[in-house]
Amino acid sequence: NAGVTQTPKFQVLKTGQSMTLQCAQDMNHEYMSWYRQDPGMGLRLIHYSVGAGITDQGEVPNGYNVSRSTTEDFPLRLLSAAPSQTSVYFCASSWGGSSYNEQFFGPGTRLTVL
Amino acid sequence: QKEVEQDPGPLSVPEGAIVSLNCTYSNSAFQYFMWYRQYSRKGPELLMYTYSSGNKEDGRFTAQVDKSSKYISLFIRDSQPSDSATYLCAMKYNQGGKLIFGQGTELSVKP
Repeated sequence: NAGVTQTPKFQVLKTGQSMTLQCAQDMNHEYMSWYRQDPGMGLRLIHYSVGAGITDQGEVPNGYNVSRSTTEDFPLRLLSAAPSQTSVYFCASSWGGSSYNEQFFGPGTRLTVL
Repeated sequence: QKEVEQDPGPLSVPEGAIVSLNCTYSNSAFQYFMWYRQYSRKGPELLMYTYSSGNKEDGRFTAQVDKSSKYISLFIRDSQPSDSATYLCAMKYNQGGKLIFGQGTELSVKP
């Protein structure tokens, strides 16, 4: 199993550009989430999904879109990049039915917006 | 006020020391408490999980939850340089709920 994979590992964008961060998991997990991690802020939830076709907003959703057409994939779209979106982005997945549904994290995407 | 507060450190200790990492929280509805470890430039990985109050031990690691004080702790005994990482506490209200993370504490264990 590859677990949770994310591409790209690094990305530099100019203000106003759009891009998609890719996330895939091969564990047949129902739940998938996107977080951003900034110094001193911990991990903040951007969007999450409890199954194919179902998504919802987290704590910091503005400027991001998601969709979940398959169980395996959960891409995150930046519509018009801003310097405030410079961050490290983590995708995570978990079972929906376990008692505590441990989240498995990907290796992260480091994004810089100039 | 953040729902979950964690001192970001950094915390530096000598090898072999006992390390105490702590988080406080404001909402008494939290029931599931976790500690994640994150090595530099890696994704977090689950280290310890506790449901409700009490202690849980796993090797050199002990997790404690005191719901009356809204306080959770992670103790590391006989700390090793390989324990150098950022430790994040996380909690949630129910089994299917969203995880709320603390800011993370950066720990360095010096040989």
